[in-house]
Amino acid sequence: TQLLEQSPQFLSIQEGENLTVYCNSSSVFSSLQWYRQEPGEGPVLLVTVVTGGEVKKLKRLTFQFGDARKDSSLHITAAQPGDTGLYLCAGAHTGNQFYFGTGTSLTVIP
Amino acid sequence: SAVISQKPSRDICQRGTSLTIQCQVDSQVTMMFWYRQQPGQSLTLIATANQGSEATYESGFVIDKFPISRPNLTFSTLTVSNMSPEDSSIYLCSVVPSGETQYFGPGTRLLVL
Repeated sequence: TQLLEQSPQFLSIQEGENLTVYCNSSSVFSSLQWYRQEPGEGPVLLVTVVTGGEVKKLKRLTFQFGDARKDSSLHITAAQPGDTGLYLCAGAHTGNQFYFGTGTSLTVIP
Repeated sequence: SAVISQKPSRDICQRGTSLTIQCQVDSQVTMMFWYRQQPGQSLTLIATANQGSEATYESGFVIDKFPISRPNLTFSTLTVSNMSPEDSSIYLCSVVPSGETQYFGPGTRLLVL
């Protein structure tokens, strides 16, 4: 089992605040994905990072893949209520084996 | 990308019965996965269903309990057999059209009484 630990597990913040979610593992992955899942829906892909040290930005969301490709972070600037959801990281190995993180439940209070 | 639909979207079932969940993809894909998820928690992989071969089950999941069919490259079913309340969960299918990006269906919410 390739364990991906996410922290924090739960996060409740006020609208406008910044936050960072971490995804850590002792394993090296060929790529890493971040998903957001809203209640009653399946996970929706936000981003895929493949290169160690890579940084990708998606509007107010910034994703970084660790240099060693073992960890990743998701930073949200000026959080909005629409950002509320369950955030999941998933590491992939060549051959399409996917390992999901433990999840971070984010609530943004208006 | 891929667009995935699942049927039913939700169901309430009696213990001891079985439910078959369908997963339809809008394009041909080789790799399809079935997951289980407790509300608010992460995903647990049940099995990998590749067309033309038997499904590969993860530890803790067996074919007798979760039989899977994969008759073609756009469709799969997962059956939850002889259900008990512990099977109450969200069941998700996903596909990997190419590369290493996974796309999910909307899920099937199952409640077993």
